[in-house]
Amino acid sequence: AQSVTQPDIHITVSEGASLELRCNYSYGATPYLFWYVQSPGQGLQLLLKYFSGDTLVQGIKGFEAEFKRSQSSFNLRKPSVHWSDAAEYFCAVGAIGPGTPLVFGKGTRLSVIA
Amino acid sequence: DSGVTQTPKHLITATGQRVTLRCSPRSGDLSVYWYQQSLDQGLQFLIQYYNGEERAKGNILERFSAQQFPDLHSELNLSSLELGDSALYFCASSVGGSVDIQYFGAGTRLSVL
Repeated sequence: AQSVTQPDIHITVSEGASLELRCNYSYGATPYLFWYVQSPGQGLQLLLKYFSGDTLVQGIKGFEAEFKRSQSSFNLRKPSVHWSDAAEYFCAVGAIGPGTPLVFGKGTRLSVIA
Repeated sequence: DSGVTQTPKHLITATGQRVTLRCSPRSGDLSVYWYQQSLDQGLQFLIQYYNGEERAKGNILERFSAQQFPDLHSELNLSSLELGDSALYFCASSVGGSVDIQYFGAGTRLSVL
């Protein structure tokens, strides 16, 4: 069974600083990986996904993530954080085939300070 | 706007009651997923329907049931409600039945008093 670990429950960064949110997954085959963002009172919005190919994927809002199979990681990065990036970030893993819903990590809450 | 519509946005009810949450998927999407988000459990998958048929079942309690109708909207029924059922319930939809992008609704916040 798949599992996802997001080691950091809460991260605080200064506006303009770089950001890296960690995600480690456990899955026996090639995973399908996602990052979603949840703003307060909102649903989840897809930031980016990795299905195959280039291991560095670009997403919306200036985010990128790198798939590292050897480390079972899919870390999310942004070079310069904006105050509007404050939200909860979820990493998720899926598997190919019908009836395989996403497994989410517990989330990392990002706070941005001036 | 994801295109997934969930109603109602908020629901306040008492223990022992029954409620129905509704989800309309994006146009063209055949799969509907239900998730429960709580502080202690995080986001937990409950159940998936694909084109009217149950496709996968997760940590869904026997007191909970769901269905997907011919017009592809879905309802999640929660009965004999307990305090611990208070949570945010999300619906997501996707085009197919296998792994693809899931689009989430804004959720229904259920408060059981």
